[in-house]
Amino acid sequence: LAKTTQPISMDSYEGQEVNITCSHNNIATNDYITWYQQFPSQGPRFIIQGYKTKVTNEVASLFIPADRKSSTLSLPRVSLSDTAVYYCLVGLQGSNYQLIWGAGTKLIIKP
Amino acid sequence: GAVVSQHPSRVICKSGTSVKIECRSLDFQATTMFWYRQFPKKSLMLMATSNEGSKATYEQGVEKDKFLINHASLTLSTLTVTSAHPEDSSFYICSAPDRGRIGELFFGEGSRLTVL
Repeated sequence: LAKTTQPISMDSYEGQEVNITCSHNNIATNDYITWYQQFPSQGPRFIIQGYKTKVTNEVASLFIPADRKSSTLSLPRVSLSDTAVYYCLVGLQGSNYQLIWGAGTKLIIKP
Repeated sequence: GAVVSQHPSRVICKSGTSVKIECRSLDFQATTMFWYRQFPKKSLMLMATSNEGSKATYEQGVEKDKFLINHASLTLSTLTVTSAHPEDSSFYICSAPDRGRIGELFFGEGSRLTVL
């Protein structure tokens, strides 16, 4: 089971691009990388998922280097509403869905 | 996207009573659901995996008799906290995996339990 390491917290300002990096040195060949966002007193929400290289959707981009030992979530032009905790997970869906949730990164966006 | 609904969102109970939390998949069938517990400013801790038509699989350290899980249908899983004590006060969240996309989980809104 891969374990992830993320910065505990980050600050940024409205309109800036924010990059959150996650380390997963023991990622397995079949593991995918998934990022979630969680607001206080709410369940996490899926942001983006990838296996290698770059993935982009309407809210974020995910950059994964060739060795897949890390990944970077990129949030373009953040706003105050992006203040949340962001979790990086690696895992493979199976009969027993083994995912380990790290501490996440608390992102605070300032005006 | 798929929606998972959890009820109640908040519940306050007296010590020694039991509380049931429901988790429903609204527009898809979930043969598997996961129950998590989250303490303030902490990460999610997987408590158990709920399997439709069979017994739940509990994580190490989670008391089966304390946290009863029932997955009676493909759209409903319930978590019952029995004989609740103040230390059971926490945020409980359920989720179900998306069959179409590996690694994506749909989460409920969460249920905040306060035991007095």
